[in-house]
Amino acid sequence: NAGVTQTPKFQVLKTGQSMTLQCAQDMNHNSMYWYRQDPGMGLRLIYYSASEGTTDKGEVPNGYNVSRLNKREFSLRLESAAPSQTSVYFCASTMSLGETQYFGPGTRLLVL
Amino acid sequence: DQQVKQNSPSLSVQEGRISILNCDYTNSMFDYFLWYKKYPAEGPTFLISISSIKDKNEDGRFTVFLNKSAKHLSLHIVPSQPGDSAVYFCAASAHGGNQFYFGTGTSLTVIP
Repeated sequence: NAGVTQTPKFQVLKTGQSMTLQCAQDMNHNSMYWYRQDPGMGLRLIYYSASEGTTDKGEVPNGYNVSRLNKREFSLRLESAAPSQTSVYFCASTMSLGETQYFGPGTRLLVL
Repeated sequence: DQQVKQNSPSLSVQEGRISILNCDYTNSMFDYFLWYKKYPAEGPTFLISISSIKDKNEDGRFTVFLNKSAKHLSLHIVPSQPGDSAVYFCAASAHGGNQFYFGTGTSLTVIP
């Protein structure tokens, strides 16, 4: 039982490049989330998916897209990376909205 | 505007003594609160929660206190151990809400 897994662990991009961050959970959770963590800012919600087939914007969605591929997987895409998107990205899941969230180990992204 | 605030970026405590981490919130609709612990290069892990119908919740060495009138909660760790050294985040959500709002974190160092 791996819990929440994220790939890659670390990535360097040039401005304007695109990439997809992958997240998967094996806890049969219905809801999944993407956060970013920046120094002095705590964790901020980018997008969430209440259940398979649905996605909604969080606090800071601009510059990102998401796909809830199936119940297990929730991906985050940067179409044209900007230096302001340099951050640590965490995926989380929970049985239903408002319940305790379980986090993955994070992806460190550096945009030059 | 930060709805959940942790005004102490860091705290140092001697091993065996009490650690008190504080968190304030502004939204009176918040009724469910959690504390997460985060080690470097890992995702946050759930520590303890409290619902607004209670003013105290205990789990071993960890106790969370909630003062609704002051919109304040605190996490007490007794006795503190070196392995407790980590960043602690508080988070809050409103009943029926879709997301948690996180504080900026407090870095706890327990000195042996």
